[in-house]
Amino acid sequence: DPKIIQKPKYLVAVTGSEKILICEQYLGHNAMYWYRQSAKKPLEFMFSYSYQKLMDNQTASSRFQPQSSKKNHLDLQITALKPDDSATYFCASSQEGGGWGNTLYFGEGSRLIVV
Amino acid sequence: GQQVQQSPASLVLQEGENAELQCNFSTSLNSMQWFYQRPEGSLVSLFYNPSGTKQSGRLTSTTVIKERRSSLHISSSQITDSGTYLCAMERGGANTGKLTFGHGTILRVHP
Repeated sequence: DPKIIQKPKYLVAVTGSEKILICEQYLGHNAMYWYRQSAKKPLEFMFSYSYQKLMDNQTASSRFQPQSSKKNHLDLQITALKPDDSATYFCASSQEGGGWGNTLYFGEGSRLIVV
Repeated sequence: GQQVQQSPASLVLQEGENAELQCNFSTSLNSMQWFYQRPEGSLVSLFYNPSGTKQSGRLTSTTVIKERRSSLHISSSQITDSGTYLCAMERGGANTGKLTFGHGTILRVHP
């Protein structure tokens, strides 16, 4: 069973609309992240959260807003969608301070297509 | 420029052959990780390997931090090894979870 659940798995949205990508992790980790993988580009770091607090934001646009209602949740709200936002969005988590380093575990991704 | 360079970009093997994938970093780094991306897109962590050699089954990862490189050796390849292998580095403060990824090596293993 997947330990990091992302919903929806696939999503088609209209330009200008707003969508929320859901992520829940059941690994007991205290840090969560969002990454994006666009066509022909490497995976890109977007946000990191630790104990529900924003630690790092590498996303230039304020249209992307993470939301953490619980320790094991980190949703991603995207407003005023553009075709360039089309990508697969991956949620990840890790246990900070673990003796084996900061291994990241990824969800299966939410593939977003904006038309 | 690209901070994480992977080679080769793609590789075709016959089942049973070995493969050596390379990852070079243009900047200093704290640690690095190898991931496998399945054909349908999901990601699997293979190794967290800041230095030295680690082995898991048919996979061996060797990282030389001072030389800013890491390799992934796949022995006796199987058809199910097909997919994309990604390396990523972590720099700046330790344990930030902020990884910079390479473009990956696409591996195809034929019977």
